[in-house]
Amino acid sequence: DGGITQSPKYLFRKEGQNVTLSCEQNLNHDAMYWYRQDPGQGLRLIYYSQIVNDFQKGDIAEGYSVSREKKESFPLTVTSAQKNPTAFYLCASNPQGGHSPLHFGNGTRLTVT
Amino acid sequence: DQQVKQNSPSLSVQEGRISILNCDYTNSMFDYFLWYKKYPAEGPTFLISISSIKDKNEDGRFTVFLNKSAKHLSLHIVPSQPGDSAVYFCAASVGTYKYIFGTGTRLKVLA
Repeated sequence: DGGITQSPKYLFRKEGQNVTLSCEQNLNHDAMYWYRQDPGQGLRLIYYSQIVNDFQKGDIAEGYSVSREKKESFPLTVTSAQKNPTAFYLCASNPQGGHSPLHFGNGTRLTVT
Repeated sequence: DQQVKQNSPSLSVQEGRISILNCDYTNSMFDYFLWYKKYPAEGPTFLISISSIKDKNEDGRFTVFLNKSAKHLSLHIVPSQPGDSAVYFCAASVGTYKYIFGTGTRLKVLA
């Protein structure tokens, strides 16, 4: 079964710690994305990557970092510089951007206390 | 500045009737529009899309209408079923990798 796997489903961290969220896809898609969902705010783009070893900032990239060393993997690190890290994080992919739907994983709920 | 707006946070519809979800956008350069359905604690699921060269697209019970002059998008679900109860997001892109999402409308279909 092809799809996007995000792990873990729930993650708890203390304030001041960096944390990395995993995203793996076996759809052979070139483009991958990270979104954040907060109540009443829809989905906001954090980072996206069109191809291996390349990525661009989205609308709310501050306090986050990513890497794209393999086509299948696009991990997101939430750093201690992110002021409001508690949120639902969604990873997505599509074949090559533009005029093709995003396929989403089931998300990771991060809680920072 | 919210480029894609869903002004109705919630909507209740009787089972078997039509559900109409609305979406407005401000950027006339958007050329591809999508609707997603989302259950709590899950990722959004793609429902239907439409290119800006069309004004209507159908897929089973779901129809999306695009009115470019009004910068308005709507999703019609006919007939509505209890399993359709979820949050619906519209999204728009401008031909590249940036997809902008609305804030969502929670649909409740009453049995």
